[in-house]
Amino acid sequence: GAGVSQSPSNKVTEKGKDVELRCDPISGHTALYWYRQSLGQGLEFLIYFQGNSAPDKSGLPSDRFSAERTGGSVSTLTIQRTQQEDSAVYLCASSLGRGPTGGEQYFGPGTRLTVT
Amino acid sequence: AQSVTQLGSHVSVSEGALVLLRCNYSSSVPPYLFWYVQYPNQGLQLLLKYTSAATLVKGINGFEAEFKKSETSFHLTKPSAHMSDAAEYFCAVSVWTASKLTFGTGTRLQVTL
Repeated sequence: GAGVSQSPSNKVTEKGKDVELRCDPISGHTALYWYRQSLGQGLEFLIYFQGNSAPDKSGLPSDRFSAERTGGSVSTLTIQRTQQEDSAVYLCASSLGRGPTGGEQYFGPGTRLTVT
Repeated sequence: AQSVTQLGSHVSVSEGALVLLRCNYSSSVPPYLFWYVQYPNQGLQLLLKYTSAATLVKGINGFEAEFKKSETSFHLTKPSAHMSDAAEYFCAVSVWTASKLTFGTGTRLQVTL
């Protein structure tokens, strides 16, 4: 079956512009995660959605970052007023749910964001 | 709080040799542990996971890992390296009631002829 998909695969933007990154999780997966992978910081958790619960935003680095998940499926990560330090690969993952049998996360190919 | 330490950012082995990638964890609660592999310009693929069942876990592509509570370790091994194993490997920890994976800094495996 189809895996997690992300778009665009690459995004180049100018400093100060806003960007939107999209994630389509695996069908039927109720949990969705965003991570960031950068040379300086490694792999970092950003935000997590589980069903209709309030999202866990504890990893968002600043208030310029936000995310939403519409209809329990597609998610959009928005970065406002981009800075050069936002350059990274943004990875999305999904899983069936929480708990020992539902926690395995499947990752998408990522969106490479370059801020010039 | 949870954390993972991967010893050795780069490991080089000869084709056919044993692969050993080290991971030590810290967790205030019983951990769930994972190894992921990342090939160039690709996302992360799960190799194997420990979820408090058997301490020796077998994964895909001939990899296995052993959970040792006394040593707080979860090292990844493969008896015989293949050229196709060259990639970056990440160890990660989570708590099943929590939501996020906490990753180590990764180990890049190089396989030489």
